Amino acid sequence: DADVTQTPRNRITKTGKRIMLECSQTKGHDRMYWYRQDPGLGLRLIYYSFDVKDINKGEISDGYSVSRQAQAKFSLSLESAIPNQTALYFCATSSGGSWNEQFFGPGTRLTVL
Amino acid sequence: TQLLEQSPQFLSIQEGENLTVYCNSSSVFSSLQWYRQEPGEGPVLLVTVVTGGEVKKLKRLTFQFGDARKDSSLHITAAQPGDTGLYLCVRHNNDMRFGAGTRLTVKP
Repeated sequence: DADVTQTPRNRITKTGKRIMLECSQTKGHDRMYWYRQDPGLGLRLIYYSFDVKDINKGEISDGYSVSRQAQAKFSLSLESAIPNQTALYFCATSSGGSWNEQFFGPGTRLTVL
Repeated sequence: TQLLEQSPQFLSIQEGENLTVYCNSSSVFSSLQWYRQEPGEGPVLLVTVVTGGEVKKLKRLTFQFGDARKDSSLHITAAQPGDTGLYLCVRHNNDMRFGAGTRLTVKP
């Protein structure tokens, strides 16, 4: 079984809808992250969490919110989706060791019409 | 603003050829990582380099960190179709920043 899972894997929605993307991990890591990937822009950090009570904004947090329900779960919400939020979204975890290797989920492809 | 410049953006070669891709910045990194991302999957860590001038080898892949810790290169010898993917460099300072990647295609 995968260490980091994301649901759904694909989602098509309409402008203005609320969307939640979910991430679960079995690695026992404290740190979790949400990124979006756009062609030509690489991965950009949306939010990150270093433990259950910790939430931090990343490079591009506007239009997004997150919830860290438990050590193993970190969800990303788009309160009112817009077309420029169409992207590939990745969840990642890390143990917070010296070089902070991150373990990524398989991604969620979101299309906002 | 891209803090990391990766070049080339796209590279298509034949199996057996050698190649080098680059990661450059105007600022110094405390450390740098290379990840590979295959289609439909998330990135996977290949290597971390920390010391200026450091060279690390991973089978046919050779990673070099520049002496001034502002650049890095990845050289692949005798590329194989299984090397196909998006190669991302990631710099660490107070945060992590990803480059846009080099998309490599190795044709059989």
